[in-house]
Amino acid sequence: AQSVTQLDSQVPVFEEAPVELRCNYSSSVSVYLFWYVQYPNQGLQLLLKYLSGSTLVESINGFEAEFNKSQTSFHLRKPSVHISDTAEYFCAVSEDSGAGSYQLTFGKGTKLSVIP
Amino acid sequence: NAGVMQNPRHLVRRRGQEARLRCSPMKGHSHVYWYRQLPEEGLKFMVYLQKENIIDESGMPKERFSAEFPKEGPSILRIQQVVRGDSAAYFCASSPGQRMNTEAFFGQGTRLTVV
Repeated sequence: AQSVTQLDSQVPVFEEAPVELRCNYSSSVSVYLFWYVQYPNQGLQLLLKYLSGSTLVESINGFEAEFNKSQTSFHLRKPSVHISDTAEYFCAVSEDSGAGSYQLTFGKGTKLSVIP
Repeated sequence: NAGVMQNPRHLVRRRGQEARLRCSPMKGHSHVYWYRQLPEEGLKFMVYLQKENIIDESGMPKERFSAEFPKEGPSILRIQQVVRGDSAAYFCASSPGQRMNTEAFFGQGTRLTVV
């Protein structure tokens, strides 16, 4: 069984400041890792994902996340946030094979509030 | 290429009524997944369907909930005799293949409120 822990339920940050949203996971098998963003009253949008290869993955809007296998973490970072980044961010994991490969296990989410 | 379409976006039902939630997957996607998001919680897997088949319903409550994905038409999540605890956002996702590491796209969700 897998689990995902997002350590912070809410993160307020001033505009143009850096931010890190933390995500830790547990799994007994190899995993794929995802970050999804949910804007108010919207659905989920895939922000970035780690499948294999380089442990640092980037999104088109300046976010990046680094897969750290030894620490079982996949923290999301952005060096300078904008008001438009205000949203809820979900970390998710799926197994790379078997029944778990078609299920995503989500964390409880982190609400990022960017303060002008 | 339209995305995953869910309707209605908002649904209000009185206790004891039935709720029907519809999901049309993206063109070319034959795999559909339903997730439920309870208040202040992350999304929880409910069921995985392919055309005319339920592959995995391990996340579905044992009673009152059912899902189908007919040969023609959208996937339907049906909740009979709704109770207040069913109030949640229900999200559908679709993918071209079985594995979620392929591009799985989520719809905008149906927000069910039971009064």
